[in-house]
Amino acid sequence: KAGVTQTPRYLIKTRGQQVTLSCSPISGHRSVSWYQQTPGQGLQFLFEYFSETQRNKGNFPGRFSGRQFSNSRSEMNVSTLELGDSALYLCASSLRNGYGYTFGSGTRLTVV
Amino acid sequence: GENVEQHPSTLSVQEGDSAVIKCTYSDSASNYFPWYKQELGKRPQLIIDIRSNVGEKKDQRIAVTLNKTAKHFSLHITETQPEDSAVYFCAATNGGSQGNLIFGKGTKLSVKP
Repeated sequence: KAGVTQTPRYLIKTRGQQVTLSCSPISGHRSVSWYQQTPGQGLQFLFEYFSETQRNKGNFPGRFSGRQFSNSRSEMNVSTLELGDSALYLCASSLRNGYGYTFGSGTRLTVV
Repeated sequence: GENVEQHPSTLSVQEGDSAVIKCTYSDSASNYFPWYKQELGKRPQLIIDIRSNVGEKKDQRIAVTLNKTAKHFSLHITETQPEDSAVYFCAATNGGSQGNLIFGKGTKLSVKP
């Protein structure tokens, strides 16, 4: 079966712009989580969606938001980009929150 | 909330030696502990996991042990090979609707031929 698909793979944005990243989970997976990965901080939890509802949110500013559609596809949005938002953004899907995550290949965001 | 500490941050071993990575967690309600391997430029991949009702689990050259009392768990890799070189992440969750998977900061393992 198809894995977790993230688009785009790479993005270069300017400070102050906004960006939308997309994640298509494995078919049948209703839980989608997003993580920010940076060299110094590892994998930091952003938020988790299940059946179109945000159930959990990590310790990130309100500039980071997301949503999930009825087909379980998810998007995350970052507004007013800052240089520090440069990172690899990973999404992971599972049947049940936290268990047996399968990760996508990520979107590499560079803010200049 | 849950906090996961992982040590060491870097580990270098000779091919054929064993490697051990240790993690501690803070939330006594955590009941699921996976390990992920991330090769350079690739996605994290689940290599082994353990649930809180089990003390040890093995899969060929890798094993994970769990000590619930001390709230720590470890990854053991035996007969290491150069292809084991990667960053390894431990994680923990209580699995409930509020139970997100929280990761340690990773261990960069280098296996020298």
